[in-house]
Parts: sequence; C-alpha cells; structure tokens
Amino acid sequence: GDSVTQMEGPVTLSEEAFLTINCTYTATGYPSLFWYVQYPGEGLQLLLKATKADDKGSNKGFEATYRKETTSFHLEKGSVQVSDSAVYFCALIPPLQTDSWGKLQFGAGTQVVVTP
Amino acid sequence: DAGVIQSPRHEVTEMGQEVTLRCKPISGHDYLFWYRQTMMRGLELLIYFNNNVPIDDSGMPEDRFSAKMPNASFSTLKIQPSEPRDSAVYFCASKPGAAYEQYFGPGTRLTVT
Repeated sequence: GDSVTQMEGPVTLSEEAFLTINCTYTATGYPSLFWYVQYPGEGLQLLLKATKADDKGSNKGFEATYRKETTSFHLEKGSVQVSDSAVYFCALIPPLQTDSWGKLQFGAGTQVVVTP
Repeated sequence: DAGVIQSPRHEVTEMGQEVTLRCKPISGHDYLFWYRQTMMRGLELLIYFNNNVPIDDSGMPEDRFSAKMPNASFSTLKIQPSEPRDSAVYFCASKPGAAYEQYFGPGTRLTVT
C-alpha cells in the first residue's frame, strides 16, 4: 500500500544551521506530497505541497522538491530559527480514487529542536 | 474566521467511563476527519465524513469507538467504555471538497486512568 518514510528524530541543531529532513514515499502512480508542521501544543498546519513531479513547494523559508526518480520529497531550510522547533510530518494523498480522495497518509514525524 | 473548534481541550476520566469528544468544522468544509496521535503509533486516521456521511471508518480501533456527524457543523467521537490505552491526543480536521489542505483543530488530550 501507499506509505511515507521519514527520518527519525529528534534532530537537534543550532540557530542559523541548515536543516534537511528526508522523506521517501511508496505509491502507485504519482501522489500529491505535503509537509505539515506541528508546533508544541497545537494541531498540524500545512507547510507546503507539491502535486506533480519536479514541482517545488516553498513557504516560510522551507522548500521541498518532488523527485519521482528517487520517490523523495526532502524538506530543507537554509537557516533555522528557534521558532522552527516543531514536529514535521511528510504526507501523501494517493492519485485520485473515489475511496481515498483527501485521505492523507502521514509519516511518523520528525521532531526538530533548534537551540539558540 | 474561526478555525476548527474542538472541545474539551483536556479530558481526564476513569477507566470504564464514557467519553465524548466534540468538533465544529470550518463553515463550508464538507470533509471532516478524526485522527488519533500517540507516541507509539504516531498519527492515525480513525474515520472521515463527506457531506455528513461516514466514508471510511476502517481506522476505528474497535466497537468501543463510534463517530457521528448529525449536521454539517458538528461531529462527535465517543468512546464507551474507555480504557487506559485510549489515552492520546485526538484531532479533528476539515477541508473543502476541492482542496488538498486539511485544517486541524487544536486537539483534545484524553487521559484515561
């Protein structure tokens, strides 16, 4: 079945460091891909998305490129801040099917801790 | 614009008691999702509705769990009887039909002692 695998955390880094969180997927066809972020004590928020191969999603300094060759959607940010401390979830929606429309498949989440 | 509203935010109950979690989706959103989040199992989809009709309840753990959506602005998730292993954060999310993005509520932290 469709699934998402992302790197385990926690990832601890200093302010202004470069962040990469790896995400790979398994799916039939070409899914839509997402990164959601969960700040402490809050629900998840959509961070960025890409709906077709080679698309790049970007938001708040974060970027991720849909790579069909490597079935990957790695999240990157060039210079993190303490306020980026959160749990990051990679997710997919399978290609449109009546019974799975809108049904997100989440990875396990990666906790990121940014220290001053 | 109000987001997804969940109540209560925290619930502590004793094993065997009935628990009811409530959700008000964003107005105009015709999909509603219930998720459970635990350290051990991560984020799990329990059930989702489209236009108030349950579409997929394959994630509901067992018969102790039930969910209803009597109208477009209200949904409940009920656990009866509750057990300690039900302790988790339960999220409700909603989305409009044509969009990818799901909007999550703040969650209900349930503790069953």
